[in-house]
Amino acid sequence: EVQLVESGGGLVQSGGSLRLSCAASGFTFSRYWMYWVRQAPGKGLVWVSGLNSDGSSTRYADSVKGRFTISRDNAKNTLYLQMNSLRAEDTAVYYCARLVFSYFDSSGYPTDWYFDLWGRGTLVTVSS
Amino acid sequence: DIQMTQSPSTLSASVGDRVTITCRASQSIGSWLAWYQQKPGKAPNLLIYKASSLESGVPSRFSGSGSGTEFTLTISSLQPDDFATYYCQADSFGQGTKVEIK
Repeated sequence: EVQLVESGGGLVQSGGSLRLSCAASGFTFSRYWMYWVRQAPGKGLVWVSGLNSDGSSTRYADSVKGRFTISRDNAKNTLYLQMNSLRAEDTAVYYCARLVFSYFDSSGYPTDWYFDLWGRGTLVTVSS
Repeated sequence: DIQMTQSPSTLSASVGDRVTITCRASQSIGSWLAWYQQKPGKAPNLLIYKASSLESGVPSRFSGSGSGTEFTLTISSLQPDDFATYYCQADSFGQGTKVEIK
């Protein structure tokens, strides 16, 4: 079965750290860009970070730049998100998502992209 | 950054109604737009990509149209399973449109 399964969420104090994992199965994980998308309680969707297929190119939302680090282990079919210096506003469900895109722009980033596969999400709660 | 604005934010409709949701981009994005459905406590589910292409397995009552800066998602005959929140997405996501039971 093609699926993504997140883990590692939980309750952490402000300023603390947490590492999320996303286990992929049923498809060739190493061929895809992968992203983390989050959703604060009662709010909309926001992409947080993305990573290319071999782990050499990353993207971060301004709100997490310098605090979060995305990585992957293609041998283990797993995507990670290391979250440091957590803030109350980082409280959200974090989804792992598979990216599909048409081509690369001049900066080497995907364009015409969308997410065709999502995990169920893992809840991160940061207490102040 | 390209901003996406959906309207309305909430929509009340009955089973069998034709429903249209609009998404506007702050600048032209060609046909680069996707639509997702999300039910409470669940992950988003891809409905439409490249503005009008129906994702495999999605019922044909869903359709998408538009290009440039204005796009629409249409549900031709609303079914009980369709009451959910819908998001458009280009470089970022729209704020969502909640479809409620009238």
